[in-house]
Amino acid sequence: DQQVKQNSPSLSVQEGRISILNCDYTNSMFDYFLWYKKYPAEGPTFLISISSIKDKNEDGRFTVFLNKSAKHLSLHIVPSQPGDSAVYFCAGIRRGAQKLVFGQGTRLTINP
Amino acid sequence: DVKVTQSSRYLVKRTGEKVFLECVQDMDHENMFWYRQDPGLGLRLIYFSYDVKMKEKGDIPEGYSVSREKKERFSLILESASTNQTSMYLCASSLPTSGMTGTYEQYFGPGTRLTVT
Repeated sequence: DQQVKQNSPSLSVQEGRISILNCDYTNSMFDYFLWYKKYPAEGPTFLISISSIKDKNEDGRFTVFLNKSAKHLSLHIVPSQPGDSAVYFCAGIRRGAQKLVFGQGTRLTINP
Repeated sequence: DVKVTQSSRYLVKRTGEKVFLECVQDMDHENMFWYRQDPGLGLRLIYFSYDVKMKEKGDIPEGYSVSREKKERFSLILESASTNQTSMYLCASSLPTSGMTGTYEQYFGPGTRLTVT
């Protein structure tokens, strides 16, 4: 039962353009969503999060949008930079739970 | 600044060997986690510990066991390594979440790339 799905295994974007990474979930009990970024041979690092009571959260070049009715969230990176090339994971969690549920990840490549 | 360290970055073991992966965190976190990462499968939870000597199975516990004798240390044990356990192993820690508050963020170590031949 894949509760969090990232249906695009990879995405290629030109430097300076917008990158949009998508994530769908099936568990309507999730109260919080997080995005992590992972470089090869390193552990994931936290990027940005959003509470289910909000529909948008912004942090510099990164914005996460949440559409609860569609059970869909997206991460926007503007403008995209070469250092953004990494694997991005989205995750959901219920309030009071201790375990994150991760998606499969999307490999983002920023082309110069 | 939270620091999670793992005992080895790269490890090569033979089939049937007993393998220990160690993880230490320095932020006094109650929760610790072991994941494995495989291409196309994302991060899958192997085991979770919410306190010393307390553990809970994750999604794929078969072939693994864990030990948490001290709050800062969480060990993953492969009782008899097999080739299908070749993977990237990631340890993480977090504060406990409760009620309306909680950061939910997990802090990851650098990972151990395990190859079983």
